[in-house]
Amino acid sequence: NAGVTQTPKFRVLKTGQSMTLLCAQDMNHEYMYWYRQDPGMGLRLIHYSVGEGTTAKGEVPDGYNVSRLKKQNFLLGLESAAPSQTSVYFCASSLAGSSYEQYFGPGTRLTVT
Amino acid sequence: GDSVTQMEGPVTLSEEAFLTINCTYTATGYPSLFWYVQYPGEGLQLLLKATKADDKGSNKGFEATYRKETTSFHLEKGSVQVSDSAVYFCALSRNSGGGSYIPTFGRGTSLIVHP
Repeated sequence: NAGVTQTPKFRVLKTGQSMTLLCAQDMNHEYMYWYRQDPGMGLRLIHYSVGEGTTAKGEVPDGYNVSRLKKQNFLLGLESAAPSQTSVYFCASSLAGSSYEQYFGPGTRLTVT
Repeated sequence: GDSVTQMEGPVTLSEEAFLTINCTYTATGYPSLFWYVQYPGEGLQLLLKATKADDKGSNKGFEATYRKETTSFHLEKGSVQVSDSAVYFCALSRNSGGGSYIPTFGRGTSLIVHP
């Protein structure tokens, strides 16, 4: 049981380049989330999904797109990277219901120069 | 909207000291409450949770009690160790309508424990 995995672990991009971050979970969770973590800002929700084929915007969605074509995968795309998107990105998943905790991946450290 | 407020860090303690990290929340209805811990270079992991008023969550010597009357969920440990050095996040989750359960996190409190 791998839990939540994220690919890649590190990435350096130049301004304007694009990339996709992959999140995979093997726990059959309905909900999946993408967060970014910046110093002093805590966790901020970018996008989330409540089920296969559905996505929704979170607190800071601008500059990002997501897709959930399969229940176990949640992709985060940056179409034209900006230095402001330098951050650590975390994926998480959970069962549906307020009493269920989130399971987090190990994170992807992205630097945009 | 929902919100979670945690005490500012860092909290610096000597080994074997008593720890309290305050957490208060604002939410309608009956949220579930969580404490997550993040060790350096890792993702968050669940430390403990409580799903109804007066419940006490506990794990690894840490405890927190869901106090609806004071809307609080303070984290405590009787004797901290150097290995407890980490960032601690308080969070809540509730049904926000349409079957949606999107958690709200506090900003995190850094704990540094010295030998």
